[in-house]
Amino acid sequence: GQQLNQSPQSMFIQEGEDVSMNCTSSSIFNTWLWYKQEPGEGPVLLIALYKAGELTSNGRLTAQFGITRKDSFLNISASIPSDVGIYFCAGQLTDKLVFGAGTILRVKS
Amino acid sequence: EAGVAQSPRYKIIEKRQSVAFWCNPISGHATLYWYQQILGQGPKLLIQFQNNGVVDDSQLPKDRFSAERLKGVDSTLKIQPAKLEDSAVYLCASSRWTGNTIYFGEGSWLTVV
Repeated sequence: GQQLNQSPQSMFIQEGEDVSMNCTSSSIFNTWLWYKQEPGEGPVLLIALYKAGELTSNGRLTAQFGITRKDSFLNISASIPSDVGIYFCAGQLTDKLVFGAGTILRVKS
Repeated sequence: EAGVAQSPRYKIIEKRQSVAFWCNPISGHATLYWYQQILGQGPKLLIQFQNNGVVDDSQLPKDRFSAERLKGVDSTLKIQPAKLEDSAVYLCASSRWTGNTIYFGEGSWLTVV
């Protein structure tokens, strides 16, 4: 079945640093989504990308839909302690959503 | 707009017991999903409903898991009998229609001992 490779698995960074994570797939997707999950909560949608090459920002977050439609990245600029959590990429083709394994982000202040 | 509601939030049961989770999707959302998220992994789709019909249940372990959405609104997911490996978060999600953005509930956390 479809699989997403998300990296890195975890990051431990200093407050104020920029963060970058990405997802790659052997399959093409029509939509790329980035979710954040905090302890004890369900995933919350951060950014949705609908077109190859699309670059979208949401505050300090920026994400891009790869030209090949097989990859996406998420950048977080000037990290703050509340950015802590697990970030999941998800690829969607028609009505099927496939998730990566997540990137655990820890921020030290 | 109210989000996806799930209950109970937490449940601890012994193996071979049964458990049921309830979900009420966002109002007006025709598509409802149940995902299983094992610790350290991303969510995995168990079953997808479009209104009250099943669209995809290919990854649902049908010998022990069942789900229904009788009136096309809220849904229940049942596990009977539970196994230790069923310990996970069960996430309900909904979207306005198939292919639209999917929104998740807070999850029901199951521990089987």
